[in-house]
Amino acid sequence: KAGVTQTPRYLIKTRGQQVTLSCSPISGHRSVSWYQQTPGQGLQFLFEYFSETQRNKGNFPGRFSGRQFSNSRSEMNVSTLELGDSALYLCASSSEGEGGSPEAFFGQGTRLTVV
Amino acid sequence: GQNIDQPTEMTATEGAIVQINCTYQTSGFNGLFWYQQHAGEAPTFLSYNVLDGLEEKGRFSSFLSRSKGYSYLLLKELQMKDSASYLCAVSGGSYIPTFGRGTSLIVHP
Repeated sequence: KAGVTQTPRYLIKTRGQQVTLSCSPISGHRSVSWYQQTPGQGLQFLFEYFSETQRNKGNFPGRFSGRQFSNSRSEMNVSTLELGDSALYLCASSSEGEGGSPEAFFGQGTRLTVV
Repeated sequence: GQNIDQPTEMTATEGAIVQINCTYQTSGFNGLFWYQQHAGEAPTFLSYNVLDGLEEKGRFSSFLSRSKGYSYLLLKELQMKDSASYLCAVSGGSYIPTFGRGTSLIVHP
């Protein structure tokens, strides 16, 4: 079974630009969550999608958005990039809430650098 | 809201035993996770505790006390490859785990 796949692995963008990150969950997993990881703040929850609907949302500004497609693949978008958005963005999939195992499986992440 | 606290850094010697503590305050509780994350890599699942007590899995064990809002991860027979960040995460009412900032464990010879 393939793991969680995130693309691209690395990205450099300029302040003010926008960026779209992609995540393909483990086959059969319908829950996809996004996290931002920085050295100072650790792993912070952005949002979770389940069956194409945003089910939970963290405390991030509206510049951060996401969506999920019918095949459970998910994308997150950050508009009007700021230097502080430089971070590792991690995607995780799970079968939680469907009677499956509760643990989340993480992708390798996308390292975003804003210059 | 949820608050999770764990030490920032710990050091230990190869072959020794180390205990990484995690205290939490949450609204609702569905379970507590421990993840391991090597530098530059994705977090990987180690353990999940729902009920009080000790769960043993090879060299790693995890303990939970729900009444005290406390957990620990015990690593035995430390190896150099155990040098990593260990993340404590609590699943509350929404099933979405909230992560602590992680404990960086350095194992030296």
